Amino acid sequence: RKEVEQDPGPFNVPEGATVAFNCTYSNSASQSFFWYRQDCRKEPKLLMSVYSSGNEDGRFTAQLNRASQYISLLIRDSKLSDSATYLCVVTSGTYKYIFGTGTRLKVLA
Amino acid sequence: DGGITQSPKYLFRKEGQNVTLSCEQNLNHDAMYWYRQDPGQGLRLIYYSQIVNDFQKGDIAEGYSVSREKKESFPLTVTSAQKNPTAFYLCASIEGTGWNTEAFFGQGTRLTVV
Repeated sequence: RKEVEQDPGPFNVPEGATVAFNCTYSNSASQSFFWYRQDCRKEPKLLMSVYSSGNEDGRFTAQLNRASQYISLLIRDSKLSDSATYLCVVTSGTYKYIFGTGTRLKVLA
Repeated sequence: DGGITQSPKYLFRKEGQNVTLSCEQNLNHDAMYWYRQDPGQGLRLIYYSQIVNDFQKGDIAEGYSVSREKKESFPLTVTSAQKNPTAFYLCASIEGTGWNTEAFFGQGTRLTVV
């Protein structure tokens, strides 16, 4: 089983839609969680950290469920500019920063 | 400006050759990482280093080697033992303990075997 798993998509949604991605992780001792955004042929950039109590940043909401070992990302009121690949990251052990396979999102006009 | 610099941006290698990808950071970060990304795939961890003169294998270390002689530098050598080296290689660094901190990436090196 992979340490971090995501549905690869693609998710094709109309502008204004709400879309949610999940990411599961296998190591119950994982301590930190993040969502990154990667545009085509570019390096990933941090979208948001995921805190135990859940957190929101504008149209983006991140949740952590330790009991079921998954994190989620909710995007409300999707924009064309949200089209990208979303990667979840889990830290495991000492300094091990593990990326999921990424979920592709395409927002359609 | 602080950041991570990877070079070259594009690299072509003949089969059987070793090549070295450069990664330099001036962020004073302790931890550095090398990832490989194949088309339509996520990032897979090759090697990482928490501190100078120390590094650990990631999930796909076979056919690769690294060194960490200076805090700022973490070069990756793709050896002839790596059977399918064509990929996008990304270097990253993280400050401090690595917990709950952002990873900063270089712009990547696209390696093609010809």
